[in-house]
Amino acid sequence: GAGVSQTPSNKVTEKGKYVELRCDPISGHTALYWYRQSLGQGPEFLIYFQGTGAADDSGLPNDRFFAVRPEGSVSTLKIQRTERGDSAVYLCASSPLPDQPQHFGDGTRLSIL
Amino acid sequence: TQLLEQSPQFLSIQEGENLTVYCNSSSVFSSLQWYRQEPGEGPVLLVTVVTGGEVKKLKRLTFQFGDARKDSSLHITAAQPGDTGLYLCAGTPPNDYKLSFGAGTTVTVRA
Repeated sequence: GAGVSQTPSNKVTEKGKYVELRCDPISGHTALYWYRQSLGQGPEFLIYFQGTGAADDSGLPNDRFFAVRPEGSVSTLKIQRTERGDSAVYLCASSPLPDQPQHFGDGTRLSIL
Repeated sequence: TQLLEQSPQFLSIQEGENLTVYCNSSSVFSSLQWYRQEPGEGPVLLVTVVTGGEVKKLKRLTFQFGDARKDSSLHITAAQPGDTGLYLCAGTPPNDYKLSFGAGTTVTVRA
């Protein structure tokens, strides 16, 4: 596709469950970012990949959150032992190079019951 | 705590009126972006400004980056209902790549 693709678009699960959120960046974009947006707020940075490696994971709130990008393209954000406070829209963005404008997907709306 | 403070938080105006949204910080940014976000969608990039004092125009939208690269404004002339949306400013600190977003300004333009 032409843009950043995120799946699923919506995810509802129970507290304590494990979830995986997928991001397929724009083809050829080497930099990939994950952000989290709570209701009424702007997105907050979680983690940034340059190629396959996590160049900056300073925004991950705790060790229940983990992300991978094994082949330098698709990325998966993984959340263990989900809590109600994890409910938010998780946005993925990509850019051709790290210092170039970021293009966002439509996000995954995660609801923890 | 967000590095960028946007004001106002909400803005409701009549079609044809002008509006200005402000984005302020005590931090210096190497670049600043403005995005517009519709419900259920991701932010869409409107403009990037990188030079202090820079002014960019996009049709009826005018963006300005402060001389000290700490603040920015978005001005819309003769607003139309299609301008309705959440406007977000986001800055990149020096020597960094992640974006720090403001909380956003929800603009409603009434027909």
